[in-house]
Formats: sequence, C-alpha cells, structure tokens
Amino acid sequence: GALVYQYPRRTICKSGTSMRMECQAVGFQATSVAWYRQSPQKTFELIALSTVNSAIKYEQNFTQEKFPISHPNLSFSSMTVLNAYLEDRGLYLCGARLNQDTQYFGPGTRLLVL
Amino acid sequence: QQQVRQSPQSLTVWEGETAILNCSYEDSTFNYFPWYQQFPGEGPALLISIRSVSDKKEDGRFTIFFNKREKKLSLHITDSQPGDSATYFCAASGSFNKLTFGAGTRLAVCP
Repeated sequence: GALVYQYPRRTICKSGTSMRMECQAVGFQATSVAWYRQSPQKTFELIALSTVNSAIKYEQNFTQEKFPISHPNLSFSSMTVLNAYLEDRGLYLCGARLNQDTQYFGPGTRLLVL
Repeated sequence: QQQVRQSPQSLTVWEGETAILNCSYEDSTFNYFPWYQQFPGEGPALLISIRSVSDKKEDGRFTIFFNKREKKLSLHITDSQPGDSATYFCAASGSFNKLTFGAGTRLAVCP
C-alpha cells in the first residue's frame, strides 16, 4: 500500500539553529508534495506546494529563505527550517499526492525549539 | 477568513451510536472534500472523500452527505466504536490541488 515516511519523527533544536526534515513516498510516485505545519492548536497551515520540475509555490507568510525545499524526484522531498524560533514549533506534515483525489500524509516531524 | 468550518468542536457519543460531524465551506470553486482522521502523535490519515458531483459517499461505517447548494457536508459514523475516538478534519480543494483544512472535531466514543 501507499505510505509516506517522514524523518526525523521528533527533533529539538536551539533557538536560532536550523534543522532539516525529510519525506519519502513509498509504493507510489507522488505527483506533488505539500508541506504543512500543524500548530499546537491543531490548525493546519500550508507552507508550500512542490511539483517535480516546477517552481515551488510558497504560501503567504512562508518563504523560500526561511523554509527551503528540495524535491529532486517523485518519491523524495526535504525541507529545512532555518533559524528556528519558538513560533516555528509544531508538527510538520508532508502530504504526497497520488492523484487528483488522493493525498497521503506522513506521521510528521515534531519540532521543539528551546 | 476561515474557509472551512467544522462543528462541533468536540463530540462525545456512546458506543454503537451514530456520530455526526459537520463541515461547511465558503469557496464555491471547491470541488473535492476529503476527511482525515488523526490520532494523537500521528499524522492525519485519509478516511473518505467526496467530489462535488456526488451527494453521498459511503465506505463501511463512514458516510459523507454533501449539499452543494448550501455548501455543507457531514460525516456520519454509524455504530461508533471506542477505536474511532480521534480528531476528524474536513478539508477542501479546488483546481490548484491546495487543501484547506477545518479546525477539526474531536470525537470521543465511550464504551
């Protein structure tokens, strides 16, 4: 079956440092990958939508300078949180789209900032 | 502006009852509506989805009822089980593959 792996599952970083997280689609080729952040209040914020061989589209309040994304092939994507601060904490979710009707999410990478 | 609204915020039902979770949306271009189930510490899992050309979608104990005119939909969970206790998110997307999520309904099923 289709699975989406995310690594690491949990990470703690010092304020002002950076951390990289990875997303791997297994069992299918993702037509696009969307990165979301789920806040402690459980709301979802779309960070960016990435399609292989196309420009990555960032949502308002999120920039490439802060959240650079690499999407080299149809099964792998990575995102870095640069200069992380308290407001960046949350669960970062990768959603890999199988087709127009189906987007699978990974378990998320939980970021804690000290 | 909240594009997708869910109610109630939390819901408690007894085992065997039908849980009804509501969702409404603003954007008339939305045409795809997935529901996700999320357990604590995990990512959201796709549960069931419907397109705006349909008014009902059924998958086992889970049924979506969709009213395009009123921009409302609901998820019915029949014969609720304690294992159904989770947070349920209604989402919507239009032509740009961007999912907009509601704030979720926390369901508790008491044995």
